[in-house]
Amino acid sequence: ETGVTQSPTHLIKTRGQQVTLRCSSQSGHNTVSWYQQALGQGPQFIFQYYREEENGRGNFPPRFSGLQFPNYSSELNVNALELDDSALYLCASSPGGAEDTEAFFGQGTRLTVV
Amino acid sequence: AQSVTQLDSQVPVFEEAPVELRCNYSSSVSVYLFWYVQYPNQGLQLLLKYLSGSTLVESINGFEAEFNKSQTSFHLRKPSVHISDTAEYFCAVPNTGNQFYFGTGTSLTVIP
Repeated sequence: ETGVTQSPTHLIKTRGQQVTLRCSSQSGHNTVSWYQQALGQGPQFIFQYYREEENGRGNFPPRFSGLQFPNYSSELNVNALELDDSALYLCASSPGGAEDTEAFFGQGTRLTVV
Repeated sequence: AQSVTQLDSQVPVFEEAPVELRCNYSSSVSVYLFWYVQYPNQGLQLLLKYLSGSTLVESINGFEAEFNKSQTSFHLRKPSVHISDTAEYFCAVPNTGNQFYFGTGTSLTVIP
């Protein structure tokens, strides 16, 4: 089985632009979560999708939005980029969203906003 | 809401020495606890987790953690570290479902 894959691995954008990050979940996983990890910090939960529906959201503004497709892959969109959006964005998939369920992480997309 | 606190941001230790990485949690309900590891330029990998039963849980690479309800702690230990253990270690607790709250991380550096 393939693991969680994210694309692109690195990205440089200008303040005010929009960006789309992509994630392919592990085979058999119907739940995808997105996290933002700023330099030197722990990952912070952005939102989660379960079977194409948003299933919870962290403390992030509406310009952070997402989508999950029928094959359970997912996108994270960020509009009106700010310098503070520079971070590693991690996608995690799991076979359901129960609290005892391990999340399997991709290697992340490093976003730099200049 | 549940949360975790990692008390040490950086822990340097000599190779083959023991190490303890500290984690305290805050929860008013039954708690599940996780330790994830992040090697340089990689995503997070599950190291071990406590769900129920025995309070001592072990990983396949020699780490162990003990759930201590009275002290609200879930410290990670290894009796003898290797160079390859150099990484960032995160304690985590699930909030709603498996939407994790992560600690700020402890950077473990193993010195030859």
